[in-house]
Amino acid sequence: GENVEQHPSTLSVQEGDSAVIKCTYSDSASNYFPWYKQELGKRPQLIIDIRSNVGEKKDQRIAVTLNKTAKHFSLHITETQPEDSAVYFCAATAAGNKLTFGGGTRVLVKP
Amino acid sequence: DTAVSQTPKYLVTQMGNDKSIKCEQNLGHDTMYWYKQDSKKFLKIMFSYNNKELIINETVPNRFSPKSPDKAHLNLHINSLELGDSAVYFCASSQVTGVTGELFFGEGSRLTVL
Repeated sequence: GENVEQHPSTLSVQEGDSAVIKCTYSDSASNYFPWYKQELGKRPQLIIDIRSNVGEKKDQRIAVTLNKTAKHFSLHITETQPEDSAVYFCAATAAGNKLTFGGGTRVLVKP
Repeated sequence: DTAVSQTPKYLVTQMGNDKSIKCEQNLGHDTMYWYKQDSKKFLKIMFSYNNKELIINETVPNRFSPKSPDKAHLNLHINSLELGDSAVYFCASSQVTGVTGELFFGEGSRLTVL
């Protein structure tokens, strides 16, 4: 089955700096890669996703890149703000299979 | 107008008891899930139902029994609760089978076993 590794497990950045979270996956058949944000005490919510036919996707201050050959994908947050503080999860799935989550990255943005 | 709602939000109980968590979605989705989030925040799928049919059944103790009376509801019953069952349980739904679309999570049910 799919195995998703996520790094780092914790990330502390100064407000205004960039944050990068990296994930690797094992199943070369995986073709859908979402990112979820979970604020303290809240539910995980989708913030951005990318499919295997796309190398990069951007939505305002967040962007995701995918390298299918190397089987890794990354989340980039620019100009971080205190409200970006949360746990971020990457995930991967192949069609018809279950979504497998990475272990999560706790991001702390210091004002 | 909560899309995915689950009850109760908090559950504190003694070891050995039996408890249930209920979930309902009003999004018209065909697929529903139960996820377990442990103290280290790791999210792990337990079960998935598509239109009342069980399609994913991970390696979960058989003390956990899901039940889907219709495609809008997915309940989780847990027998003989153990300390290690303490976690937050999230219900979720998605529009398509196979999870190539967004997962909509409920608010979570925090289970504490004493």
